[in-house]
Amino acid sequence: SQQGEEDPQALSIQEGENATMNCSYKTSINNLQWYRQNSGRGLVHLILIRSNEREKHSGRLRVTLDTSKKSSSLLITASRAADTASYFCATDASGTYKYIFGTGTRLKVLA
Amino acid sequence: NAGVTQTPKFRVLKTGQSMTLLCAQDMNHEYMYWYRQDPGMGLRLIHYSVGEGTTAKGEVPDGYNVSRLKKQNFLLGLESAAPSQTSVYFCASSYLAGRGYTFGSGTRLTVV
Repeated sequence: SQQGEEDPQALSIQEGENATMNCSYKTSINNLQWYRQNSGRGLVHLILIRSNEREKHSGRLRVTLDTSKKSSSLLITASRAADTASYFCATDASGTYKYIFGTGTRLKVLA
Repeated sequence: NAGVTQTPKFRVLKTGQSMTLLCAQDMNHEYMYWYRQDPGMGLRLIHYSVGEGTTAKGEVPDGYNVSRLKKQNFLLGLESAAPSQTSVYFCASSYLAGRGYTFGSGTRLTVV
């Protein structure tokens, strides 16, 4: 069973707009991560947020975590055509060594 | 610095054949993982290893076996391939538990 579920499944925006993706999960976690996957390629690690953190930034990325709601959001500001990809959240249930991935959000940025 | 290397990149098998997928990392990472990715299903964990000589089952281990005889290598075996094992297989590694993964570029396997 999937631990994380991303929403929306697909998102299409114009270049320069912001893109927001959400992730919900089911059990208590240690950490939550976001990954990007370009078509036909491996996943690339974007950002990790720990369960005791509420917000984290990395360049144009902003991640928030609400452990009371078991949810996280990824915001990409000033999007570019190169941001077109699938984005996945991954969570490690407390006490485990393994990350479980969600089904992903397919983002398309139109030039 | 190669990171995580998967071989082969593509393979077509007939039902009932066996094969081994190789994952090699040169980053001295302790943890290694095998995932499969199917359309609409995201990535699902098959098996993982928390160190040389250790292996453990993930979400979908049936039909697969793994070995981690050397720290840098993690092998995924299919003893008797089935069409349901048609998928893209990704290997990943991490230095410590709870850290970001480095992924390989994937192996696209088709079982006919």
